[in-house]
Amino acid sequence: DAGVIQSPRHEVTEMGQEVTLRCKPISGHNSLFWYRQTMMRGLELLIYFNNNVPIDDSGMPEDRFSAKMPNASFSTLKIQPSEPRDSAVYFCASSPGTSYNEQFFGPGTRLTVL
Amino acid sequence: AQSVTQLGSHVSVSEGALVLLRCNYSSSVPPYLFWYVQYPNQGLQLLLKYTSAATLVKGINGFEAEFKKSETSFHLTKPSAHMSDAAEYFCAVISGAAGNKLTFGGGTRVLVKP
Repeated sequence: DAGVIQSPRHEVTEMGQEVTLRCKPISGHNSLFWYRQTMMRGLELLIYFNNNVPIDDSGMPEDRFSAKMPNASFSTLKIQPSEPRDSAVYFCASSPGTSYNEQFFGPGTRLTVL
Repeated sequence: AQSVTQLGSHVSVSEGALVLLRCNYSSSVPPYLFWYVQYPNQGLQLLLKYTSAATLVKGINGFEAEFKKSETSFHLTKPSAHMSDAAEYFCAVISGAAGNKLTFGGGTRVLVKP
């Protein structure tokens, strides 16, 4: 099993540029989660999907952030325009079923916005 | 709303000594609780989970945790620390109406001294 796959692993960009982070969940999992991790704020849930449908996006910091899940095997998190305060590690996680299951995390994307 | 509090953001232990990481939870319903470990530059990995079966839960790498309802606690222990246990540890509780969101504590970073 390949686990959750995220790309790129590292991204360095300049303020104002568009950034797209990608995630492939574990096959058969129907819940997908995007998290952001920073020293100051710890681990924050940004948005999650069940069966490709966004369920809760209350953690998305502002309109510059958007997430999509066009099919069961792919999701993107986009930041446009990016700002230095968006620098963080972004994790994708997936989970089987819809309730009370553990989440399986990808290796993360380390984003640096200059 | 469900929440967890981890006491101590940093813990230092000697190799071979007991590891004790504290987690207290707040939940209006019977909780599902998890401990995750994050090694440097990696994603989170599940150590163990409590799902209302046995109150003493054994996990990977020699870790275990005991659920104590009277104390609203789910502390993580390992009898003898190994250098490879140096990592950050997160306690989490299932939250959300559908039972598929994880709310994480702030994390405890463990340093193991030789």
